[in-house]
Amino acid sequence: NAGVTQTPKFRILKIGQSMTLQCAQDMNHNYMYWYRQDPGMGLKLIYYSVGAGITDKGEVPNGYNVSRSTTEDFPLRLELAAPSQTSVYFCASSYQNQPQHFGDGTRLSIL
Amino acid sequence: AQTVTQSQPEMSVQEAETVTLSCTYDTSESDYYLFWYKQPPSRQMILVIRQEAYKQQNATENRFSVNFQKAAKSFSLKISDSQLGDAAMYFCAYGGYGANSKLTFGKGITLSVRP
Repeated sequence: NAGVTQTPKFRILKIGQSMTLQCAQDMNHNYMYWYRQDPGMGLKLIYYSVGAGITDKGEVPNGYNVSRSTTEDFPLRLELAAPSQTSVYFCASSYQNQPQHFGDGTRLSIL
Repeated sequence: AQTVTQSQPEMSVQEAETVTLSCTYDTSESDYYLFWYKQPPSRQMILVIRQEAYKQQNATENRFSVNFQKAAKSFSLKISDSQLGDAAMYFCAYGGYGANSKLTFGKGITLSVRP
């Protein structure tokens, strides 16, 4: 019973590097989300998906890309890492209007 | 767009006492959900309680209850018999229906529990 699995848990990037944050869920949820949490703040929505092949922008999408080729996976890509993207990233999933299940987060530092 | 406001950055409560955390929100929708999430130092996001806006009855989960005032757009969380394990960040969040189920969070409140 894994729930929502995020990898990696920690990562340090240099400015300009790219990387993909992985998110997988095994609950057959149709909705998936990516949030970021800056220090002392609440979570802000980056991108979300209501099903395979469907994605949409959230509140803070600039600098990120997503894809949803399967129900289970929803990777988040940073193309050109910038210091402003230093944050904790959370992936979440839900079925319809049920509460969202969150992963444990990825702490990302860009130096 | 929806907004969620938590104006108290920090609160403290004595163990075994009761504390109330405040939250206000703004929306033009009539049907929606409201949530309280707990985030301990482990940074996990743990659902505490959920309220459906069309329900007049306030939600309750063991020691946690809410005071939902739809007209005033107010959604406070009451923690009874506070325990040391309740110390955490608490976030109020708004969610819509269906494709609008993405969450809008407040800035959070840090709750400390004094032994």
